[in-house]
Amino acid sequence: GAGVSQSPSNKVTEKGKDVELRCDPISGHTALYWYRQSLGQGLEFLIYFQGNSAPDKSGLPSDRFSAERTGGSVSTLTIQRTQQEDSAVYLCASRDRVTDTQYFGPGTRLTVL
Amino acid sequence: SQQGEEDPQALSIQEGENATMNCSYKTSINNLQWYRQNSGRGLVHLILIRSNEREKHSGRLRVTLDTSKKSSSLLITASRAADTASYFCATDQNYKLSFGAGTTVTVRA
Repeated sequence: GAGVSQSPSNKVTEKGKDVELRCDPISGHTALYWYRQSLGQGLEFLIYFQGNSAPDKSGLPSDRFSAERTGGSVSTLTIQRTQQEDSAVYLCASRDRVTDTQYFGPGTRLTVL
Repeated sequence: SQQGEEDPQALSIQEGENATMNCSYKTSINNLQWYRQNSGRGLVHLILIRSNEREKHSGRLRVTLDTSKKSSSLLITASRAADTASYFCATDQNYKLSFGAGTTVTVRA
């Protein structure tokens, strides 16, 4: 079946602009995650959605970062007033509730100039 | 924050040899997952081992878990050039993954 998809694959933006990154999880997976991978910080958890529960935002680095999940499926990660330190690969994952395996999308490479 | 630490940071082996990498972590976990990453993009899931399991196999992969030592190892047997990649361990705590820094494996033909 189809895996996790993300768009765009690459995004170049200017400092101070807002960006939106999209994630389509595997159909039927109720848990969705955003992670970030950067040279300095490695792979780090950002936010976690589980069904209709309030999201776990404990990994968001600042209030410029937000995410929503509409209809329990597609998710959008928004970064407002981007800074150069936001440059990273943003990875989305969804979890199989039976096996607990998290499956990752191909990522969005964000470059802030 | 990263919970896991991986050892070694880099590994270079000849095709056909075995590759072993280790992961240590600090707090209790639900499970531990190993991933492979090529060219800095998506993570490919390799294997999941639960906290009550000690060893698991999948094809040429063998994973062990020692919860008393808070450590895991990944063994790749009979390596191939296509195994060249970065390998990450990730510990699952309350369904959130915390990753190690990874081991870069280079398989020489």
